[in-house]
Amino acid sequence: AQSVAQPEDQVNVAEGNPLTVKCTYSVSGNPYLFWYVQYPNRGLQFLLKYITGDNLVKGSYGFEAEFNKSQTSFHLKKPSALVSDSALYFCAVRDLERAGSYQLTFGKGTKLSVIP
Amino acid sequence: GAGVSQTPSNKVTEKGKYVELRCDPISGHTALYWYRQSLGQGPEFLIYFQGTGAADDSGLPNDRFFAVRPEGSVSTLKIQRTERGDSAVYLCASSLNGGAAYNEQFFGPGTRLTVL
Repeated sequence: AQSVAQPEDQVNVAEGNPLTVKCTYSVSGNPYLFWYVQYPNRGLQFLLKYITGDNLVKGSYGFEAEFNKSQTSFHLKKPSALVSDSALYFCAVRDLERAGSYQLTFGKGTKLSVIP
Repeated sequence: GAGVSQTPSNKVTEKGKYVELRCDPISGHTALYWYRQSLGQGPEFLIYFQGTGAADDSGLPNDRFFAVRPEGSVSTLKIQRTERGDSAVYLCASSLNGGAAYNEQFFGPGTRLTVL
């Protein structure tokens, strides 16, 4: 079965500092990996995805993520945090070995607070 | 263009009642997904439609839950004999083509269901 772990329930970072939100995954085959952000009372918004190729993927709003196959990780990063980045972040995985199903398995989410 | 829309945004019902939740996907998106998000958790997969047919309903918790997509566009999630444990935010998502597993899913704002 596929699973995602986000080990930190909350991450606090000062505005202007770099931020990292951690994600590790478990799948039987090769993964497709996604990051989504959820603002209060709004739906999930897609940030970025890893499919294949370059291990460093760039996404919306200056976010990027690094795929590390040996560590089964896909950490979300941003060089300089903004107060407006404060939100709930979800990592998700899709297992390519599960033929015929395209469901995403999500982590529990990490609340990011950027302090002015 | 318009995103995924869901109605109602909030639904309060009594234990034992029947409810219907509606999802209107992005025009042209053939794949449609339903997820359920409980407080403090990530979304959990319920069912996936490719066109009119349910390609994967492995996430439906029991036979009280049922979903349809008769014309390959709008979908309705139906819950019979609601229980307090059904209280959650129900999210709908769509993507361009479920057969392309790398396509990201676009989420609606959700329907918050409260069963009293």
